[in-house]
Amino acid sequence: DIQMTQSPSTLSASVGDRVTITCRASQSISSWLAWYQQKPGKAPKLLIYKASSLESGVPSRFSGSGSGTEFTLTISSLQPDDFATYYCQQYNSYPITFGQGTRLEIK
Amino acid sequence: EVQLVQSGAEVKKSGESLKISCKGSGYSFSTYWLGWVRQMPGKGLEWVGVIYVGDSDTRYSPSFQGHVTISADKSISTAYLQWSSLKASDTAMYWCARRGYTSRWEGFDYWGQGTLVTVSS
Repeated sequence: DIQMTQSPSTLSASVGDRVTITCRASQSISSWLAWYQQKPGKAPKLLIYKASSLESGVPSRFSGSGSGTEFTLTISSLQPDDFATYYCQQYNSYPITFGQGTRLEIK
Repeated sequence: EVQLVQSGAEVKKSGESLKISCKGSGYSFSTYWLGWVRQMPGKGLEWVGVIYVGDSDTRYSPSFQGHVTISADKSISTAYLQWSSLKASDTAMYWCARRGYTSRWEGFDYWGQGTLVTVSS
């Protein structure tokens, strides 16, 4: 199985900050990576697919980059609505696997 | 509008069986993969498995293989996740989600509202 490791596990930031979350795969997954945002009690929401493609309707302050084994999700200017938990997911091969999550909290 | 509507919360005892459902609408249900994701209380997302509704091709996570069964009835646009013998450790929220497609199959672009399963010992 491909292991996905996110860092940091928790990130404290302020409105207006630029933040970056990293996701590393235990082997190459090309660009077959998605990022999700989840708020408490709600279903995850797809933000980015194919490592850097922005899902329709997602604000342009979200961006993704990377290929192979190292990927990043960047939020260019944090908004109050962005405080949530973020997950990466590889779908290069079965079993599909998620990272353990990064909780983005208000500083 | 694409929608996935899941069945309601369940409270069961260890050893009992259970089948939860996910009904799709607003798209061609039989031409997509439909997956299930578990989230235990306070924990992260875990991929359970997926089914291609059109031909019932099913893939499971090794962590869930043999303990759950994923199925679908394309005539009523509904997918299922079932257990024959529940354990207390199955207590979790279960999400269904559709795999998106661009030039190949992508991540999960639409999600159901979740089904909370509570199993008491």
